[in-house]
Amino acid sequence: SQKIEQNSEALNIQEGKTATLTCNYTNYSPAYLQWYRQDPGRGPVFLLLIRENEKEKRKERLKVTFDTTLKQSLFHITASQPADSATYLCALTAYMDTGRRALTFGSGTRLQVQP
Amino acid sequence: DTEVTQTPKHLVMGMTNKKSLKCEQHMGHRAMYWYKQKAKKPPELMFVYSYEKLSINESVPSRFSPECPNSSLLNLHLHALQPEDSALYLCASSLVPGQSLYGYTFGSGTRLTVV
Repeated sequence: SQKIEQNSEALNIQEGKTATLTCNYTNYSPAYLQWYRQDPGRGPVFLLLIRENEKEKRKERLKVTFDTTLKQSLFHITASQPADSATYLCALTAYMDTGRRALTFGSGTRLQVQP
Repeated sequence: DTEVTQTPKHLVMGMTNKKSLKCEQHMGHRAMYWYKQKAKKPPELMFVYSYEKLSINESVPSRFSPECPNSSLLNLHLHALQPEDSALYLCASSLVPGQSLYGYTFGSGTRLTVV
């Protein structure tokens, strides 16, 4: 069966350090992978999309890598700040039972940046 | 306008009530989605509307009834819900159905409590 796993349920780091979050998937062949941020009681917010032919993508302090051989994506936040504290979700477009595609989320990693 | 607007933000309803959740976007997106999110879990897909037609129903109980009156509006009609249906209901949209290189845009959700 198809699975999207984010290995750490929670990650605590000190302000200024780099946070690294992991997303692994099985039985998918995604053309691209997305990362979202979700704050408590709010909807997810789209951060970055990386295509299968891109090894790395950057946006300000964010960096995403995508290794289709390992079936893994790493999400990095450099110079982390307390305001980066949130749940981060990776997501793939998956084929549903109907044969149509829709966005499916990993379980999420709750990041806490300590001042 | 780059937002998805959901109303109401909070809703408490009895098991015999009928209520509706509303979602609106004016970004010209042609796909709209309903997701359900329980505490500390990722969003789970319920329904997908593609060009105003229902294209995916993820085996959702009939007490949830979606409706897409036009390309900007999405409703979720609720009837005879159970306490276990209490959750955050998220509406999302994307430029095209399935694949979206620009991510999905989520609303802030409706926090539903069934008593």
